[in-house]
Amino acid sequence: QKEVEQNSGPLSVPEGAIASLNCTYSDRGSQSFFWYRQYSGKSPELIMFIYSNGDKEDGRFTAQLNKASQYVSLLIRDSQPSDSATYLCAVTGGNKLVFGAGTILRVKS
Amino acid sequence: EPEVTQTPSHQVTQMGQEVILRCVPISNHLYFYWYRQILGQKVEFLVSFYNNEISEKSEIFDDQFSVERPDGSNFTLKIRSTKLEDSAMYFCASQGLGNQPQHFGDGTRLSIL
Repeated sequence: QKEVEQNSGPLSVPEGAIASLNCTYSDRGSQSFFWYRQYSGKSPELIMFIYSNGDKEDGRFTAQLNKASQYVSLLIRDSQPSDSATYLCAVTGGNKLVFGAGTILRVKS
Repeated sequence: EPEVTQTPSHQVTQMGQEVILRCVPISNHLYFYWYRQILGQKVEFLVSFYNNEISEKSEIFDDQFSVERPDGSNFTLKIRSTKLEDSAMYFCASQGLGNQPQHFGDGTRLSIL
């Protein structure tokens, strides 16, 4: 059974702080790793994707991948109240995505 | 920016009835997926579709479920005889070649009474 584990939270950070979200996965064969943001009652929205070990930055977001440790993280710099949402980690299992349960992020103004 | 569109946004159906959920994937995408999310739970894979056939399906996708790409643009999910436990958000996703990310539609909320 391929698993993706995330801390359910909620993770509370003050506005302007860095939010750090973490994810571990069980399938060493996973090749692609994604972070989706999901607002309540809405569909997953792609935030970042990463395929290689190391860091990938896009604006306020940085994804980090460590395949040896089977660990993916998402850093959100200068957190805003609009970043408050559930963040879903997803990894590929074949072509399909295997999702974690998500981490609830609350950014307090 | 191109997007995946799903209709209807909300479907209410009596238990035992058939329901068809519709999706229009992004036009140059080749891989198509259905996922579902029961309220408060994880997003779960149902089925993937490529080259006019199912490429993978989950244990959830039993004989009550079927998918079709009837006309080269629409991608449908049919549930033949709905159960109460089929109540969920159903998301369609499409993907281009290679490792490109999957893009999700806004979902259909299916409520079985």
